[in-house]
Amino acid sequence: QVRLVESGGGLVKPGGSLRLSCAAPGFSISDYYMTWIRQAPGKGLELVAYISDRGLYTDYADSVKGRFTISRDNAKNSVHLQMDSLRAEDTAIYYCAKSVVGTPGYLDSWGQGTLVSVSS
Amino acid sequence: EIVLTQSPVTLSVSPGKRATLSCRASQTVGNNVAWYQQKPGQAPRLVIYNASNRATGVPVRFSGSRAGPEFTLAISSLQSEDFALYYCQQYNNWPFTFGQGTRLEIK
Repeated sequence: QVRLVESGGGLVKPGGSLRLSCAAPGFSISDYYMTWIRQAPGKGLELVAYISDRGLYTDYADSVKGRFTISRDNAKNSVHLQMDSLRAEDTAIYYCAKSVVGTPGYLDSWGQGTLVSVSS
Repeated sequence: EIVLTQSPVTLSVSPGKRATLSCRASQTVGNNVAWYQQKPGQAPRLVIYNASNRATGVPVRFSGSRAGPEFTLAISSLQSEDFALYYCQQYNNWPFTFGQGTRLEIK
């Protein structure tokens, strides 16, 4: 059973920054693409960014491109999402999820999420 | 961007009956469609991948199928724990996209 644990959410003012982290205690994420997904309050799901297993490939939703950066540290078994120039519309629960080997594809394990609120 | 349209928005079905949820893609996505179940206050959970494969631990009453651009999630003999929100997702082309969801509620 893969367990993913997100942290780093909180309340931030518009224009501010936050760094989210995702840990996988007891499971090595080094062979897997990892993805961040968000869900605004009462809304649907939006894929934010993914990163390949070795970190060579990343891609982003247009809504966050140029503002968010996904990274990973396989030695520390963690994935991160650096969020800069935050806007009110970035308010959401942010989930970390694991993809299958070799592709960002479908998401077979999810964390419990961390809430990011952007408000003055 | 590929748009996934789920129907109906809300589906009311009695326990023990069959539910059929639909997801139509605006462009070809092959079989690269997954279905997720989400209950209030919880993260989504993978139910079906590659259009018709059940994820680990998913009961056999869940099945997925494809007919052209239309994908279907069927749940036979509904149990109380099946009433939830269901999302389809395409992972054929980035940005991968989700449908807007179908709420399956008890009739």
